[in-house]
Amino acid sequence: GQQVMQIPQYQHVQEGEDFTTYCNSSTTLSNIQWYKQRPGGHPVFLIQLVKSGEVKKQKRLTFQFGEAKKNSSLHITATQTTDVGTYFCAGFTGANSKLTFGKGITLSVRP
Amino acid sequence: GAVVSQHPSWVICKSGTSVKIECRSLDFQATTMFWYRQFPKQSLMLMATSNEGSKATYEQGVEKDKFLINHASLTLSTLTVTSAHPEDSSFYICSAAPGPTNYGYTFGSGTRLTVV
Repeated sequence: GQQVMQIPQYQHVQEGEDFTTYCNSSTTLSNIQWYKQRPGGHPVFLIQLVKSGEVKKQKRLTFQFGEAKKNSSLHITATQTTDVGTYFCAGFTGANSKLTFGKGITLSVRP
Repeated sequence: GAVVSQHPSWVICKSGTSVKIECRSLDFQATTMFWYRQFPKQSLMLMATSNEGSKATYEQGVEKDKFLINHASLTLSTLTVTSAHPEDSSFYICSAAPGPTNYGYTFGSGTRLTVV
């Protein structure tokens, strides 16, 4: 079945450093979504990417969808302590409407 | 924005008893809702898709007789963990899509179930 992979599962950065994480799918995705889950909280939708090579920005966050629509990246510029949390990517395939989540990457930021 | 209300937020129950978790869409109608299970520091595992007015669709390996899902109205889905055992202790979260997929899924706040 479809697999969405996020490696590594944890990353620690110093406040002010940039951070990039990647998401890879075993199959071509029709679209990909990113969610953020704060410690003790629930996932919150950040963004959806649909087009091959699409790039979207939300303040310090930049999301990109790969040309082959099998991978995606999230880049955070100048991390802040408020960026702490687990970032999940999740993908849809055209074959079904189920959203498959990656394992997530938990970001910690040292002040 | 769209809100999904889930409760209880936490529950402790004795082994062998049943627990019902409710998930409500507050300001939109949801013909489909999704139930996930999340172990500590793990990803969200889809358990089942709840369909209003029809049977839920369960993922492979999820016991439908143990995790009963009812979606009786366009705004309410319930998950009942029957004859709970300690291994059922987990974080259960529901979600629904309030609109087109580009709005993403809205998640409930989750239910922390502890079976003692």
